[in-house]
Amino acid sequence: QSVLTQPPSASGTPGQRVTISCSGSSSNIGTYAVHWYQQFPGTAPKVVISNNSQRPSGAPDRFSGSKSGTSASLAVSGLQSEDEADYYCAVWDGNLNGWVFGGGTKLTVL
Amino acid sequence: QVQMMQSGAEVKEPGASVKVSCKTSGYTFTNYYTHWVRQAPGQGLEWMATVNPRGGSPDYAQSLQGRVTMTSDTSTRTAHMELRGLTFDDTAIYYCARGRGSLDPFDVWGQGTMVIVSS
Repeated sequence: QSVLTQPPSASGTPGQRVTISCSGSSSNIGTYAVHWYQQFPGTAPKVVISNNSQRPSGAPDRFSGSKSGTSASLAVSGLQSEDEADYYCAVWDGNLNGWVFGGGTKLTVL
Repeated sequence: QVQMMQSGAEVKEPGASVKVSCKTSGYTFTNYYTHWVRQAPGQGLEWMATVNPRGGSPDYAQSLQGRVTMTSDTSTRTAHMELRGLTFDDTAIYYCARGRGSLDPFDVWGQGTMVIVSS
């Protein structure tokens, strides 16, 4: 059972906008910045959103992030087939004194 | 370019120990935190530990306290992770990654090291 809760799956058709949620608590998302990682099968994760809503260089501008209270969201606009991957939210937890990851969401492009 | 190159796959028996290395290049090793994350087959990501190469005690996941040790060798710019008392549940891909600050995202990752625990 992950400290951060994500839906196990999400899907959309090309061009659609899809949102993935990440729910936590006051000791993690409520206090610290959330980062989002994209992972393709057999490869290491890659950060696509940092500090709640910042897009690292190289991350497509169709990725965006937001945070409100103890929840965060990753949105993918103009969905493309190459966006099909697993997505994880991550944040520091002040109670656990460590990083926590969401359980991951498998994004399928129909 | 910035790289984190990990040691090769390992197969260990239950109860044994494993040590995974992460050799870095292309950046100032002591300016970045090194993190270790693992991923069991078909499962999600699990943070294991964070090491500040400039010193101080590493932060370890509570679930691994007492079994894991992270070290950094600044002369060779290499981080090491040793996990003791292996069980079948430790079968996973182990990744090293770096972060600019203690709360910054993990912006560069190693390629991963597969550790299989098998009798």
